[in-house]
Amino acid sequence: DIQMTQSPSSVSASVGDRVAITCRASQYISTYLAWYQQKPGKAPKLLIYAASSLQSGVPSRFSGSGSGTDFTLTISSLQSEDFATYYCQQVNSFPATFGGGSKVEIK
Amino acid sequence: QVQLVESGGGLVKPGGSLRLSCAASGFTFSDYYMGWIRQAPGKGLEWVSYISISGDTIYYADSVKGRFTNSRDNAKNSLYLQMNSLRAEDTAVYFCARGIISVGLDYWGQGALVTVSS
Repeated sequence: DIQMTQSPSSVSASVGDRVAITCRASQYISTYLAWYQQKPGKAPKLLIYAASSLQSGVPSRFSGSGSGTDFTLTISSLQSEDFATYYCQQVNSFPATFGGGSKVEIK
Repeated sequence: QVQLVESGGGLVKPGGSLRLSCAASGFTFSDYYMGWIRQAPGKGLEWVSYISISGDTIYYADSVKGRFTNSRDNAKNSLYLQMNSLRAEDTAVYFCARGIISVGLDYWGQGALVTVSS
């Protein structure tokens, strides 16, 4: 099975800050990577697919990059509604494993 | 609009069984693969199972293999998860989600809570 490791597990930031979250796969997954945002008590929401493609309706301050084993989700200018937990998921093979999550908190 | 609504969650004793349902609407159900994902209280997301469009290909996480059965009824626009031999560690919110191969899960239900406790 492919293991997905996210870092940091939590980050404190202020509105307007640039935030980057990384995700590392235990083996090569090309660009078969998705990013999700989850707010407390809610279902996850797909933000990015194919490592860098923005899902319809997602603000352009979100971006994704990377290929192979190393990936990054960047929020260019953090807004109040972005405080949430973010998960990466490899969709290269089954089981389609998730990373452990990265919580973005208010500083 | 796309809607996924889970039902069937509840409290069950260890060793017991439960069947979750996921009712889909707002899209052509038979055009998409479907997945189940769970989240234990205060924990991260865990992928549970995937079922192909026709239902002839199904994958399971090792943690549920042999105990859970994923199935679908395209005529009823419904997805099911039969859970047997439940354990305390199966306690979680279970989400159904619409999938696109090699892309991810683009729509999710609100989740159904399953609690396994004596």
